[in-house]
Amino acid sequence: QVQLVESGGGLVKPGGSLRLSCAASGFSFSDYYMSWIRQAPGKGLEWVSYISSSGTTIYYADSVKGRFTISRDNAKNSLYLQMSSLRAEDTAMYYCARDTIRGEFDYWGQGTLVTVSS
Amino acid sequence: EIVMTQSPATVSVSPGERATLSCRASQSVSRKLAWYQQKPGQAPRLLIYGASTRATGIPARFSGSGSETEFTLTISSLQSEDFAVYYCQQYSNWSTFGQGTKVEFK
Repeated sequence: QVQLVESGGGLVKPGGSLRLSCAASGFSFSDYYMSWIRQAPGKGLEWVSYISSSGTTIYYADSVKGRFTISRDNAKNSLYLQMSSLRAEDTAMYYCARDTIRGEFDYWGQGTLVTVSS
Repeated sequence: EIVMTQSPATVSVSPGERATLSCRASQSVSRKLAWYQQKPGQAPRLLIYGASTRATGIPARFSGSGSETEFTLTISSLQSEDFAVYYCQQYSNWSTFGQGTKVEFK
């Protein structure tokens, strides 16, 4: 069955950096687009970043552009999000999600919590 | 950016009753609209895509309708496991979500 397992979250000071990982299994990872989506505590969902199956096409939400970098390693069935210059408003649960070719997200991980606080 | 507005913010329903949730887009998204269910402490789960197509394993009591800017998610006969927050998502222009509708026990 499809599984997505995020890791790497934690407490970081404003201005700091963190790298999130998402380990995929149960499907042909290299065939799928992937995204990161976040949810601030008690709030709604916000799409953060997208990467194509080959990694050649990448998009970011304006709120993270220039600070976050998405990447993937298809040989390791893994997705990454390098986050830098973190701000308090980046505090959220970060989910990796499988992106269908249409654009909806059909499988989600359980999330990893990022807290930005001094 | 396409803004998605869901209403109501909260709906109170008794088990067995019908629940109707609305989602409005600030501009046309055609039928590029999905619905998700999220329970406390869990990740969202895809219910509906293409405005009206149920995702794999989703019970028939969940149905979606609409196009362009107006969409509806209907839960025909609420079960105890359906009490949750529901989000709509447009994927016509990037991806944006509504703020959610909480379906609570009446």
